[in-house]
Amino acid sequence: EVVLTQSPATLSLSPGERATLSCRASQSVNNYLAWYQQRRGQPPRLLIYDASNRATGIPARFSGSGSGTDFTLTISNLEPEDFAVYYCQHRSNWPPFTFGPGTTVEVK
Amino acid sequence: EVQLLESGGGLVQPGGSLRLSCAASGFTFSTYGMTWVRQAPGKGLEWVSTISGHGGGTYYADSVKGRFTISRDNSKDTLYLQMDSLRAEDTAVYYCTKTRSDYSTGDWFDPWGQGTLVTVSS
Repeated sequence: EVVLTQSPATLSLSPGERATLSCRASQSVNNYLAWYQQRRGQPPRLLIYDASNRATGIPARFSGSGSGTDFTLTISNLEPEDFAVYYCQHRSNWPPFTFGPGTTVEVK
Repeated sequence: EVQLLESGGGLVQPGGSLRLSCAASGFTFSTYGMTWVRQAPGKGLEWVSTISGHGGGTYYADSVKGRFTISRDNSKDTLYLQMDSLRAEDTAVYYCTKTRSDYSTGDWFDPWGQGTLVTVSS
């Protein structure tokens, strides 16, 4: 079973700054990795799929990169609504599907 | 617009049963794989179960295998999760979600419903 780890656990930034979130897989997942955003009290929302493709309606300030075991989600210019929890998830050799533990992006 | 509306959550005693439903609209339900994902209070996301569009393929997390049953009624555009032998650790918000692409079971989850809370407690 693939285990995903995310770092940092918490990222404290100000609006307008750049956020860089990391997700590492215990074994190669090729590019079968996605990122989800979960705002407080809301369901998760798909942001990035297949490592680097933005989902429908996702702003261009969100970008994903990586392949194999190391992946990055970058938010280029934090807007107030971007302060949330971000999860990575893989779909390589499912089942199971697994999620990372999440990174909280909070206001500094 | 795609809509997924979960229902059926509530308070149940340990060892009890509950059936969750997810009413879907805005897309051709029978052509999409569907999935349940849960989130314990203050915790992260945990995949629970997935079913193929035609219902012939079902998949479960080890933590629920043998206790939960996923099913669907394509004539009613509705997904179900029958939960038996419930434990305190099953307490969570249960989300219904569809695959991003049609004719695919192991695809990304998009979008998600608002969730329904299941509390297992005596």
